[in-house]
Amino acid sequence: DAKTTQPNSMESNEEEPVHLPCNHSTISGTDYIHWYRQLPSQGPEYVIHGLTSNVNNRMASLAIAEDRKSSTLILHRATLRDAAVYYCILRDVNNDMRFGAGTRLTVKP
Amino acid sequence: DAGITQSPRHKVTETGTPVTLRCHQTENHRYMYWYRQDPGHGLRLIHYSYGVKDTDKGEVSDGYSVSRSKTEDFLLTLESATSSQTSVYFCAISESGRFPSGANVLTFGAGSRLTVL
Repeated sequence: DAKTTQPNSMESNEEEPVHLPCNHSTISGTDYIHWYRQLPSQGPEYVIHGLTSNVNNRMASLAIAEDRKSSTLILHRATLRDAAVYYCILRDVNNDMRFGAGTRLTVKP
Repeated sequence: DAGITQSPRHKVTETGTPVTLRCHQTENHRYMYWYRQDPGHGLRLIHYSYGVKDTDKGEVSDGYSVSRSKTEDFLLTLESATSSQTSVYFCAISESGRFPSGANVLTFGAGSRLTVL
């Protein structure tokens, strides 16, 4: 199974951009890259996903390396509400989605 | 969480008793999942369903059974609860078109916290 590697934790200042990295060197051609986040005491929440091209939505941007072996979730202006655990996940056509430990993002006022 | 409800949200039970957690969706999504979340392990898939009466095991299915008699309901049963099953359980749903796709997004419920004494 293709796995992902993320830093355990990161810190950011409020209103500054945040770049959350994810390595997935064994990604297969059909794996989508998904990002979810989990706020304290809540269920995980979808953030963004992509296959090959960079993606933008109202929550974040996803930058995917040309060789697809890494990706970066970009929060353009971190707020205190963005403090959460962020999961980078590969999803294959068999719909298997495995969550790792994620990156705990702390946002400082 | 729009369209997905878990019950009960909190439950305390004793070792050896049966427990059933319910997940109810109003989105008419084909796929439903049960995950458990424990410190140090992240989220782990227990069972999933890809249609009425169609279920399959995940990575930590031992000690759990599931049933799906209607599109909207997915039940997780612990036949004889053990302390190792103390956890937070999350249900998730996923829409699938005519074919499964890695692009399908999961929507999670708010979770059910189970304590087995």
